[in-house]
Amino acid sequence: DGGITQSPKYLFRKEGQNVTLSCEQNLNHDAMYWYRQDPGQGLRLIYYSQIVNDFQKGDIAEGYSVSREKKESFPLTVTSAQKNPTAFYLCASRTGGPPYEQYFGPGTRLTVT
Amino acid sequence: QKEVEQDPGPLSVPEGAIVSLNCTYSNSAFQYFMWYRQYSRKGPELLMYTYSSGNKEDGRFTAQVDKSSKYISLFIRDSQPSDSATYLCAMKGNQGGKLIFGQGTELSVKP
Repeated sequence: DGGITQSPKYLFRKEGQNVTLSCEQNLNHDAMYWYRQDPGQGLRLIYYSQIVNDFQKGDIAEGYSVSREKKESFPLTVTSAQKNPTAFYLCASRTGGPPYEQYFGPGTRLTVT
Repeated sequence: QKEVEQDPGPLSVPEGAIVSLNCTYSNSAFQYFMWYRQYSRKGPELLMYTYSSGNKEDGRFTAQVDKSSKYISLFIRDSQPSDSATYLCAMKGNQGGKLIFGQGTELSVKP
């Protein structure tokens, strides 16, 4: 089955710890995205990558970091500098041509206490 | 002002009702218009997309785009409890670039 996997589904961390969220896709898409979703705020773009070894900051990149060493993988690290990290995190990849549809993973719910 | 505005609801309707979900936008360069459905604690899934202006129908769902008014709509006919979800509009210009999402409208269809 083709798709996007995110792990784990739920993640709990103590304040001050870095945590890495996994995102893997086997859709052969070049572009991948990380979003954060909070109640009533829709999806906010954290980082995106249009090709291996390249990525750009989105609208709310502060306190996050990413890498894109392989086409299939786009892990997101939530650092201790992120002031309000508790949220639902969604990874997506995008088709290369119209309509440029984004396919989403199932999400990771991160809780930091 | 946000590029895309969507009434967050929540919207509650009885089973069988016609539902109208709407978004307005400010960027006239948007050409691709999409509607995603997101069930609770799941990732969004693409429901419908439209290129430029016009209507598109798929079963009980109809998507409309009015570029002159910068307004898009999703209509759900004969709504079912299984339609209960959050609906997100999204749009982008040609070529690459970011997909801009609305806030999402939470819909509840009561049996």
